[in-house]
Amino acid sequence: DIQMTQSPSSLSASIGDRVTITCQASQDISNYLNWYQHTPGKAPKLLIYDASNLKVGVPSRFTGSGSGTDFTFTITSLQPEDIATYYCQQYDNLPLTFGGGTKVEIK
Amino acid sequence: QVQLQESGPGLVKPSETLSLTCTVSNGSISNYYWSWIRQPAGKGLEWIGRVYITGSTNYNPSLTSRVTMSVNTSKNQFSLKLSSVTAADTAVYYCAREGGTYQDYWGQGSLVTVSS
Repeated sequence: DIQMTQSPSSLSASIGDRVTITCQASQDISNYLNWYQHTPGKAPKLLIYDASNLKVGVPSRFTGSGSGTDFTFTITSLQPEDIATYYCQQYDNLPLTFGGGTKVEIK
Repeated sequence: QVQLQESGPGLVKPSETLSLTCTVSNGSISNYYWSWIRQPAGKGLEWIGRVYITGSTNYNPSLTSRVTMSVNTSKNQFSLKLSSVTAADTAVYYCAREGGTYQDYWGQGSLVTVSS
């Protein structure tokens, strides 16, 4: 299985801050990397697919980059509604695997 | 837009079979893979497997001996069965659509507790 190492596991930031999360794959996954937002009690929500493509309707403050084994997810200006846990996921090989998650809180 | 809703018992006894159904509305079940993913309390997301409308399946090797997935195109539903459950199978179970190289629509999740 491809291991996805996500960091940090949690962070605290102020409204308007730039927030960056990294995800490292245990082997080359090209650009088959997705980012999801998960709020407790709600369905996980796809934000970024294929490393850098923003899903239609998702605010442009969410961005993704990277290829191969190293990927970055950024919220350019943190908003109150962005409080959630964020997960990366590789789609290169089965079984699909997720990072451990990053819990984003407001400072 | 497409909506998914999980349904099934919230409590299952150890050694028995967990059964969940996902109903797809506002969209056809055709031409997509349909996934099951779970999240134990305080832990991350685990992909259980997926089923295509033809009945073709892919399962996580860690669960393959206990998992069965199926699809009912006439009811726009797909299902998960997990046999010989233990407390370690207690989790929120999500169904999701694979719209490409990603899961683009998810259900809200169904908590299943394994306990006697």
